[in-house]
Amino acid sequence: AQSVTQLGSHVSVSEGALVLLRCNYSSSVPPYLFWYVQYPNQGLQLLLKYTSAATLVKGINGFEAEFKKSETSFHLTKPSAHMSDAAEYFCAVSDLGRDKIIFGKGTRLHILP
Amino acid sequence: ETGVTQSPTHLIKTRGQQVTLRCSSQSGHNTVSWYQQALGQGPQFIFQYYREEENGRGNFPPRFSGLQFPNYSSELNVNALELDDSALYLCASSLDRGAGELFFGEGSRLTVL
Repeated sequence: AQSVTQLGSHVSVSEGALVLLRCNYSSSVPPYLFWYVQYPNQGLQLLLKYTSAATLVKGINGFEAEFKKSETSFHLTKPSAHMSDAAEYFCAVSDLGRDKIIFGKGTRLHILP
Repeated sequence: ETGVTQSPTHLIKTRGQQVTLRCSSQSGHNTVSWYQQALGQGPQFIFQYYREEENGRGNFPPRFSGLQFPNYSSELNVNALELDDSALYLCASSLDRGAGELFFGEGSRLTVL
């Protein structure tokens, strides 16, 4: 079955520092992978998605993620954290039929001044 | 372009009652997915509707049921509410099955006392 594992339920970084949120996936077929962000009391917003094209995917708000098949990873990065990046981040994978999306448990990102 | 809207935004019910949550999909989208997000957890897939037919179901009991209407709006019904049903219920629409990208509403927060 398709699944994702997010390492670290909470991550804290200083403003201006590198953001790295880790995600490993399990999939029996080439996966579609996603990162979503959720701000307090809001729904989820798509940051970026990988659908088997370029392995380095650029998203909104300066985020990017790299698909590494050998490591079954899809880690999310941003070179310089901003206070507005504080939110919950979810990694997700499509199911076999690619029409349902399965989410990880999330990582809460805290930005320290 | 109107996004995904959900109603009500908050509601409180007691154990054993029934609840109906409503969702209007984004214009042009024919697929609606429902997710349950418990506090501190990632969204869990409940079911998906495609052109008024159920197109897959997660690990939820039959007391969770749904409908999709000809205009592609949708309802989630939960009977015999239990305390563990307290959660944020998220509706997401997509352009089509397999489109690989979900557009979320802001959710309906259900509290069961």
